[in-house]
Amino acid sequence: VQLQESGPGLVKPSQTLSLTCTVSGDSINSGTYYWTWLRQAAGKGLEFIGRISAGGSFNYNPSLKSRATISVDKSTNQFSLELTSVTAADTAVYYCARDDYYDSSGYSKWIDPWGQGTLVTVSS
Amino acid sequence: IVMTQSPLSLPVTPGEPASISCRSSQSLLHRNGYNYLSWFLQKPGQSPQLLIYLASTRASGVPDRFSGSGSGTDFTLKISRVEAEDVGLYFCMQSLQTPTFGGGTKVEIK
Repeated sequence: VQLQESGPGLVKPSQTLSLTCTVSGDSINSGTYYWTWLRQAAGKGLEFIGRISAGGSFNYNPSLKSRATISVDKSTNQFSLELTSVTAADTAVYYCARDDYYDSSGYSKWIDPWGQGTLVTVSS
Repeated sequence: IVMTQSPLSLPVTPGEPASISCRSSQSLLHRNGYNYLSWFLQKPGQSPQLLIYLASTRASGVPDRFSGSGSGTDFTLKISRVEAEDVGLYFCMQSLQTPTFGGGTKVEIK
């Protein structure tokens, strides 16, 4: 299984960050897993952004205050992230990953594998 | 849930054991008996790779020199004999609730 992030490496402040993750070696449509976005800012720890299932069920990190939207396109085996009203604090390496999440129980057994990551810089 | 790792930095000698600690602000033990704690290694220039999940289960392909232990709020990752390829940043992550990560432990060769 491999995941690959793609999207602009530079976004202006107040604009919307948009990234896509392409999955190979597994089918999002199988419905077995959730598909997740995370990020890692320089000098800061890893942060969970949110996750989505093939059926469109999702949950987000409350810390992002509803700025994040994750969507899925089963026909292309991709899922995407949009983050609105970005600031310099959103500058980070963004990762997509596969997530063994159990929505009936609210826990995740593991998150693996991760994509290689893509650096997004917020700057004018 | 706040995750706290120690030490921040760990110089190691190849062939010697190493140990990293991770503490959570709340118990990660679910009523099903599993602890929702994972360990990752992020090698320089790479993305995090899963080493251990459910506190003590090695992920596929992970060498058996890596082991995880602990329950509740206190967890440990042990490397029985460190190899040069083990250098990098080690993270713990809880996944009982919205995932949160420890700050990382940098393992480097002495």
